[in-house]
Amino acid sequence: DAGVIQSPRHEVTEMGQEVTLRCKPISGHNSLFWYRQTMMRGLELLIYFNNNVPIDDSGMPEDRFSAKMPNASFSTLKIQPSEPRDSAVYFCASSQTPGGYTFGSGTRLTVV
Amino acid sequence: KQEVTQIPAALSVPEGENLVLNCSFTDSAIYNLQWFRQDPGKGLTSLLLIQSSQREQTSGRLNASLDKSSGRSTLYIAASQPGDSATYLCAVNGGGSEKLVFGKGTKLTVNP
Repeated sequence: DAGVIQSPRHEVTEMGQEVTLRCKPISGHNSLFWYRQTMMRGLELLIYFNNNVPIDDSGMPEDRFSAKMPNASFSTLKIQPSEPRDSAVYFCASSQTPGGYTFGSGTRLTVV
Repeated sequence: KQEVTQIPAALSVPEGENLVLNCSFTDSAIYNLQWFRQDPGKGLTSLLLIQSSQREQTSGRLNASLDKSSGRSTLYIAASQPGDSATYLCAVNGGGSEKLVFGKGTKLTVNP
């Protein structure tokens, strides 16, 4: 298995622009998670899906952030409009309950 | 609300030493505890997964233990090597939620 695949690996964008991050989970995994990592706050859960349904989005910072999972093999995290404080590494992870989690390589987002 | 604490925040040891990393969590009603490794600028690599019914897991020079009643886990690394230098993260899920809650990590440096 190719593991959890995220794209792009790096994204540099100007403040105010829309940013879309993409994730392909491991085939057969029924849960998908979006995390954000910063030096100050560490790893924080933004949202997670189970069987393509959003279960907990309490970590989504504000309305500028949205996530979708239209099918079992694809999810997106969108930021519109982006701000410099959104700069971070965004990780996607998947799991098959009750197993462990597998993380993607992350997307490093820089908003200038 | 589950909180995970890792002590120490940083550790520097000479090559060949055996060492222990500590992790504590506030809510003992967990499903799983997972240890990860993160190299600078990279994603998270799963090292060991301990399910709630287990007390320890071993993989090569790594041994992780779990004491749910006291809310503690330890990661033991035998005969440390410079290649073990990385940040080690502990994470738990439970309390009716699949989401992983992470500690801030222990940054390990093994000196040749």
